[in-house]
Amino acid sequence: GAVVSQHPSRVICKSGTSVKIECRSLDFQATTMFWYRQFPKQSLMLMATSNEGSKATYEQGVEKDKFLINHASLTLSTLTVTSAHPEDSSFYICSAGLGRHAFFGQGTRLTVV
Amino acid sequence: QKEVEQNSGPLSVPEGAIASLNCTYSDRGSQSFFWYRQYSGKSPELIMFIYSNGDKEDGRFTAQLNKASQYVSLLIRDSQPSDSATYLCAVNIGRDYKLSFGAGTTVTVRA
Repeated sequence: GAVVSQHPSRVICKSGTSVKIECRSLDFQATTMFWYRQFPKQSLMLMATSNEGSKATYEQGVEKDKFLINHASLTLSTLTVTSAHPEDSSFYICSAGLGRHAFFGQGTRLTVV
Repeated sequence: QKEVEQNSGPLSVPEGAIASLNCTYSDRGSQSFFWYRQYSGKSPELIMFIYSNGDKEDGRFTAQLNKASQYVSLLIRDSQPSDSATYLCAVNIGRDYKLSFGAGTTVTVRA
């Protein structure tokens, strides 16, 4: 299947700092990518839709100024968690679609200390 | 009302048995239905998809869809210890690849 690569797979940062997560579609172009968040023992919750060349669309309750999304090319979307706090610690997963299926990146485990 | 609901589990089955997972969804306009397997600490992996009413079989997995009842299920036959994971039911939202996930059902296959 299609490959979506996410980097880094794991990051620990200090409270108040910012962290950038990259999501790349390796063998196909994606005009839209999606960012999900998963807290322990919970399901994936959609955070936002990343649109190539335009502003991201955020789900209700997700702070757009805290979770900055940039989709500058057809193969790369980035999620920046600004001024991270311990409650932002979570598993962040991106996805991109090809055909009728969505393919997921490996996920990024963010721990804010 | 949650968009996608799954039987919460956990579900424990002996090796070789059938594991049955159920999922209901609220949006009658949904067209695509997926089952993902997620191992602890890993990203979801697509194992089955179904678009039309009826059954779809792929190896030991069978997905069943009933749009009138807004119900989709997954059967795992001849369950193996390696099938132990959380299974997520997902339904497309709208016309793109945006998905709504159920809470997941954790399956444990006892050797």
